[in-house]
Amino acid sequence: NAGVTQTPKFQVLKTGQSMTLQCAQDMNHNSMYWYRQDPGMGLRLIYYSASEGTTDKGEVPNGYNVSRLNKREFSLRLESAAPSQTSVYFCASSELASGISEQFFGPGTRLTVL
Amino acid sequence: DQQVKQNSPSLSVQEGRISILNCDYTNSMFDYFLWYKKYPAEGPTFLISISSIKDKNEDGRFTVFLNKSAKHLSLHIVPSQPGDSAVYFCALRGYNFNKFYFGSGTKLNVKP
Repeated sequence: NAGVTQTPKFQVLKTGQSMTLQCAQDMNHNSMYWYRQDPGMGLRLIYYSASEGTTDKGEVPNGYNVSRLNKREFSLRLESAAPSQTSVYFCASSELASGISEQFFGPGTRLTVL
Repeated sequence: DQQVKQNSPSLSVQEGRISILNCDYTNSMFDYFLWYKKYPAEGPTFLISISSIKDKNEDGRFTVFLNKSAKHLSLHIVPSQPGDSAVYFCALRGYNFNKFYFGSGTKLNVKP
């Protein structure tokens, strides 16, 4: 049981390059999320997917696209990377429920855009 | 405009003493309040939570307090241990169940 896995762990891009961050979970959770963490800013929601086939914008969606490929996988794409997208990216999953549903996080991807 | 604030970026406590971490929020549209712990180079891990209908929840050395009138959440760790040294984030869940709003984190250092 691996929980939430993310690839790659580290990436360096040049301005204008594109890349896709991959995320997979094996807990059969309905909901998946992408966050970015910047110094002094906490975690900010980029996009989320409440269930397979649906995606919605979070607080900071500009410059990103997502795909919920199936129940397990949720990818984040940067079409044209900018230095402002230098950050640590976390994927998370949770069970959508009216009761408490804590999120389980992956180990993160550290992205640097030069 | 940040809806969730952790005003202390860092906190240093002696082993065995109490650690108190604080979190303030600006509106009332949250139904669950959570604390996460994060070690360097790892993702956050869930620590403890409290529903908006309660004012206290305990789990071993960890207690979370919620003061809705003051829009204030706190985490007490007693006794503090060196292994508790980490960054602690508060997170608030909106009533649509899907959105979580995180504070900026407090780095706790527990000195032996």
